[in-house]
Parts: sequence; C-alpha cells; structure tokens
Amino acid sequence: DSGVTQTPKHLITATGQRVTLRCSPRSGDLSVYWYQQSLDQGLQFLIHYYNGEERAKGNILERFSAQQFPDLHSELNLSSLELGDSALYFCASSLSGGLAGGLTYNEQFFGPGTRLTVL
Amino acid sequence: AQTVTQSQPEMSVQEAETVTLSCTYDTSESDYYLFWYKQPPSRQMILVIRQEAYKQQNATENRFSVNFQKAAKSFSLKISDSQLGDAAMYFCAYRGYKAAGNKLTFGGGTRVLVKP
Repeated sequence: DSGVTQTPKHLITATGQRVTLRCSPRSGDLSVYWYQQSLDQGLQFLIHYYNGEERAKGNILERFSAQQFPDLHSELNLSSLELGDSALYFCASSLSGGLAGGLTYNEQFFGPGTRLTVL
Repeated sequence: AQTVTQSQPEMSVQEAETVTLSCTYDTSESDYYLFWYKQPPSRQMILVIRQEAYKQQNATENRFSVNFQKAAKSFSLKISDSQLGDAAMYFCAYRGYKAAGNKLTFGGGTRVLVKP
C-alpha cells in the first residue's frame, strides 16, 4: 500500500458524460501528479500540482481539468467523454517537486488507479 | 522532448534464470534520473530501482540491477534468479533535473513472463 488513495476504483459511463476522479496523497506530500495509461498512448503524464498550484502540464486534453484543494487532495475532471478516454488513470504523490526539476529526488508514490470505461 | 524506448514488447524467462530488459532514451540534458517500475496484474505501479545520471556506479536492489551506459543513453534492467512473482509489465522511466515539475516520461513497457 503506497498510502495514496484513489476513488472510485472503477467507473463506467457513456460518451458525452462528465466524471470526476479523486486522489488523496500520502500524508505530508505536497505534490500530486496525474497519469493516463491507455492501450493507444501508453503511460503518459497529464498534470502536476504542488501545494494547490499547477506546476506542469503534459498531454492533457482541453476537455480535462484538474485542481488541488487546500487539504491537498486532487480531482481530475473529464468532460465530453469519448470512447478513446477509456483508460486507467493514476494519481501519484511526492513530498516536494515544487521547483522546476532540481537535484532533490522526490519519489513518486502511485495510487491504485481508477479504471474508466466509456461506452 | 525526452523520449524513452523499450524495444522488447515481451520477454520470457525460466524460473531461477536471468533476464535483461532493454531501455534507451533520448535527452539533451546532462543530469537526470532513470527508473524501472513494475506493474503486476494488480496494476499497482511499484518502483523497482532508480539511477542518478551523475553516478557512475550501477544501482542494485537485491536481485535487480541496472547497466547504465550514459554515452549510449542506455539503461537496461537485469533480473537475476527470476521468481514467479516477477511476472509483470516493466516500465523504464526518465525524469530530467530541469524539467518543470517532477514529471516522469515512460517507455512503452516490456511484459515479463516467468515459466515455472
């Protein structure tokens, strides 16, 4: 158990719908990262939040948005869902990672993922 | 942009034998981290081993070791004395020092099958 929790575990919805995925980081971790794992795109970075602020964006669609709340949990919102959005969505957390890169190593601990199926 | 390539979609190994997984990467940075993650059927991502690019010594963690060739931009993982529990997808990942934030760039993965 990494200490990172994600809810729900599974989500089945229809095209055009909107869903929210939730992530609670490990106690004390300030950074939250979202990754998408799909058959087409593999594992790819979506977005990184540090202490409530967006730090980096990856290949995140405009239909997707995220935020990190004062209690440090994060939500990933996916709207106007398409069949191709079906994937495993991982959240990871790390202690820091707030500055641009840097020499400090901060291991990312991954949650169990949310399996999204769009029908 | 950094890219990570794993050229072996699947590798098979006999229990107690050794298997080596290949990974190459492309970067213009001189300082970075490299990782191997294991993803068993449970889908949980588990860090197996990490290597700092500034360190010449190859990292080892019990039965897992790496062969880091910085000039060749190669980072292979050797699993010794393979066990049934090693059966999983293995992902090579890169994190640059200068990259904004702390994002990981993953390769496409290699599935390891362990035969009893």
